[in-house]
Amino acid sequence: SQTIHQWPATLVQPVGSPLSLECTVEGTSNPNLYWYRQAAGRGLQLLFYSVGIGQISSEVPQNLSASRPQDRQFILSSKKLLLSDSGFYLCAWSVGRGPGGGVFGSGTRLTVV
Amino acid sequence: GENVEQHPSTLSVQEGDSAVIKCTYSDSASNYFPWYKQELGKRPQLIIDIRSNVGEKKDQRIAVTLNKTAKHFSLHITETQPEDSAVYFCAVSGGGADGLTFGKGTHLIIQP
Repeated sequence: SQTIHQWPATLVQPVGSPLSLECTVEGTSNPNLYWYRQAAGRGLQLLFYSVGIGQISSEVPQNLSASRPQDRQFILSSKKLLLSDSGFYLCAWSVGRGPGGGVFGSGTRLTVV
Repeated sequence: GENVEQHPSTLSVQEGDSAVIKCTYSDSASNYFPWYKQELGKRPQLIIDIRSNVGEKKDQRIAVTLNKTAKHFSLHITETQPEDSAVYFCAVSGGGADGLTFGKGTHLIIQP
């Protein structure tokens, strides 16, 4: 069966520090991968999605970037974190022409201090 | 881009009563409408979904109805139980790879 791994579960980082969050999927090939962010008490906002290695689409301009170095690996990064980057970051996946990114990882709660 | 409005933001019902949450969307090309339940500190979990060729779908105490003409869809929970307390999100997709657009969520409170 397919599983999605996301780490770390929680992270506290100072303003101006770099960020790297990793997501991997097992049990499937060529998944579509997604990064969402959920601010405290708010809905989910799509940040990036990828339909293949090296292919990244960005939904909103921001302080973050994404990369897909391998088929089942999706990385969210920042060179310098801002306070406004705090939130709950969720990786998600779907396969083929399936609806976009509706199966979520367990999430990373990022607090920028 | 797609715009999804969800109402109400908070809903309090007596245990055993029904709860209804409504969402409207703007893009008439959208054709996939899932609902998610999120408990505090946890990931959203898909509870039911509907596609544009179906008007209603039921799964035990949960149902979703879709009106494509009016561009709105609703979640219905009957015989509510304490474990139904959570935040519920609607979402919309064009059915392709480009992700889901979410509503802002409804905090459902089941009063004993």
